[in-house]
Amino acid sequence: DAKTTQPPSMDCAEGRAANLPCNHSTISGNEYVYWYRQIHSQGPQYIIHGLKNNETNEMASLIITEDRKSSTLILPHATLRDTAVYYCIVRANFGNEKLTFGTGTRLTIIP
Amino acid sequence: GAVVSQHPSWVICKSGTSVKIECRSLDFQATTMFWYRQFPKQSLMLMATSNEGSKATYEQGVEKDKFLINHASLTLSTLTVTSAHPEDSSFYICSAAAQRGETQYFGPGTRLLVL
Repeated sequence: DAKTTQPPSMDCAEGRAANLPCNHSTISGNEYVYWYRQIHSQGPQYIIHGLKNNETNEMASLIITEDRKSSTLILPHATLRDTAVYYCIVRANFGNEKLTFGTGTRLTIIP
Repeated sequence: GAVVSQHPSWVICKSGTSVKIECRSLDFQATTMFWYRQFPKQSLMLMATSNEGSKATYEQGVEKDKFLINHASLTLSTLTVTSAHPEDSSFYICSAAAQRGETQYFGPGTRLLVL
């Protein structure tokens, strides 16, 4: 699986949009970009995933650059409950279904 | 939808005893389940992948005789830590996917403390 690079930590003011970047310059054509988050002492929570088109669901939006070498997860109106470690993972959906977790970005929402 | 549960949520045991952790997919059938381990201030590390009805595939460095995995049904996988020692103390997390290659959904985790 391609490796991802994320900033170790970020702060965001409550009520503002949180934009979390991820670089995956070695991504292959059949690899998806997945985002999970882990709130302290809990199991990871699935957020969103995409291949090349931008995606939106009730939790977040995922913007993938045209060359697919980077992406941004957007939490439109951050709340204190969004404080967590956010993991960006690239993975092919067929053949190798493993998720390889890096160190992620620790997002802190500031009141 | 896509809810995964684990039981127990935490367990304390004496060194040398065995501990069984259950992982259940509550609202979907999971062809594939995964077991991860997470030490304090570290990221999740995959231990093994199990497909319903077949033997688990263990990651390099994970002792299959120590960490017994059973995936006997499409909604239940179990991890048994045999002869547990203090170094096995960790946060054990399972995930489940309806089919191979589909999105994995994670359980809440089980915190194991071996005294």
